[in-house]
Amino acid sequence: AQRVTQPEKLLSVFKGAPVELKCNYSYSGSPELFWYVQYSRQRLQLLLRHISRESIKGFTADLNKGETSFHLKKPFAQEEDSAMYYCALCDTSGTYKYIFGTGTRLKVLA
Amino acid sequence: GAGVSQSPSNKVTEKGKDVELRCDPISGHTALYWYRQSLGQGLEFLIYFQGNSAPDKSGLPSDRFSAERTGGSVSTLTIQRTQQEDSAVYLCASSLAFSGVLAKNIQYFGAGTRLSVL
Repeated sequence: AQRVTQPEKLLSVFKGAPVELKCNYSYSGSPELFWYVQYSRQRLQLLLRHISRESIKGFTADLNKGETSFHLKKPFAQEEDSAMYYCALCDTSGTYKYIFGTGTRLKVLA
Repeated sequence: GAGVSQSPSNKVTEKGKDVELRCDPISGHTALYWYRQSLGQGLEFLIYFQGNSAPDKSGLPSDRFSAERTGGSVSTLTIQRTQQEDSAVYLCASSLAFSGVLAKNIQYFGAGTRLSVL
C-alpha cells in the first residue's frame, strides 16, 4: 500500500541546532516527493520537491530510494522555522493522487 | 482569482444539520482536492477531481459526505446530518494538471473552512 510516514508528531530544537524531520514512504513505482509547510495562521504551501534539488530557506531534502526516505534537513534552525511540516507523495502511476503524512510540528526554542 | 478561495471561512452548525462547503480553485487548474485537518490528526485525504469526475472517493469518511464539481471549476463538499466528530478544518487544493510535468503537480491550498458542530 502507498503510504507516507512521519514518525514524529512534535520535534523541539534550540535555535542554531541542526534539524532533521523524518519521512519514509511506501510506493511501488517512481515517486514524486514533496515537503509542504504551514506556518501559524497561514495556508499550507509547498516548501520543496525532490526533483528540484533545491535549498529553500536553508532546508534540503534528499530522496534515498534504498531507504525509501525523504528526510528534511537544515543545519541551523531559526525561530521562524517553527511550523507544521508535511511530507507528501504524488502517485504518478496514473492517478496523480496525493498522499500526505500526518505531519510533524517543529518548535524552535530561543 | 489569485489563489484558491474557500467559503465560508467559518461555519458553526447544530448536530444533524446539513452543511455545504465551497471551493473556487485557481483558474485553469484541472485538478482539485479536498482534505480534512483535525487537531492532532494531520491531513486526511477526502476526495479529488480530475475535471468534473472523481476517480477516487475512498477517503470520504461515510455516506454522509459527498462532493461535486461543475464546469471544471467550483467544487462543493456536502456533509449531511453533521455529527460532532465532523468538526475540523476542511481544506481544498488545486493543481494545474495531471501530467508528467512535475511543476503541474504542485498543490495550492485554500485557507480552509473551519467547521464546528455543536
